[in-house]
Amino acid sequence: QKEVEQNSGPLSVPEGAIASLNCTYSDRVSQSFFWYRQYSGKSPELIMSIYSNGDKEDGRFTAQLNKASQYVSLLIRDSQPSDSATYLCAVSGQRGSNYQLIWGAGTKLIIKP
Amino acid sequence: DAGVIQSPRHEVTEMGQEVTLRCKPISGHDYLFWYRQTMMRGLELLIYFNNNVPIDDSGMPEDRFSAKMPNASFSTLKIQPSEPRDSAVYFCASSLRTGVRNQPQHFGDGTRLSIL
Repeated sequence: QKEVEQNSGPLSVPEGAIASLNCTYSDRVSQSFFWYRQYSGKSPELIMSIYSNGDKEDGRFTAQLNKASQYVSLLIRDSQPSDSATYLCAVSGQRGSNYQLIWGAGTKLIIKP
Repeated sequence: DAGVIQSPRHEVTEMGQEVTLRCKPISGHDYLFWYRQTMMRGLELLIYFNNNVPIDDSGMPEDRFSAKMPNASFSTLKIQPSEPRDSAVYFCASSLRTGVRNQPQHFGDGTRLSIL
């Protein structure tokens, strides 16, 4: 079982609609959750961080965290073609006595004009 | 503010040659991470440092890979000898403290490495 799972996609969403990206994780003690956006040929760029259960909104982006169900999601409202990218979910996890970010494989999002 | 700076941006070399990748973290960040990204394996953590000290190098694939951080503003990842399967994009990232409640990592632009 992968530690951080994402649907690889591609997820195709019409322009102006809401894009919903999901991520599940296996480590119950994880406390830090991040969404990164990666354009083709570019580096991952932080979009949102969330640490507490519930919703966190930043412009068109909303991150949702449910620790009991061990999932975190990212909603993108009013999707634009410029949102087309791969979205990576990263979750804090323990390796021995150290904590690292565990990365999902990413979901490719395509916004169709 | 300057972000994470990596060099070179692209490197093409022949199998067997030594490759050195360089990274300057964001000033004030005390954690530095080296990642490798390929289509097949995604983003893999190779090694990370805290206050210039290597903490976990379990992701380093082989003895051919080595990393150093001689001071707070510079790190290198070296491959010697290089092999075609080392071809990938190598990212450096830095962050403030990590732990149970991690801080986000900030990535450099990466080095696209091609071993012929």
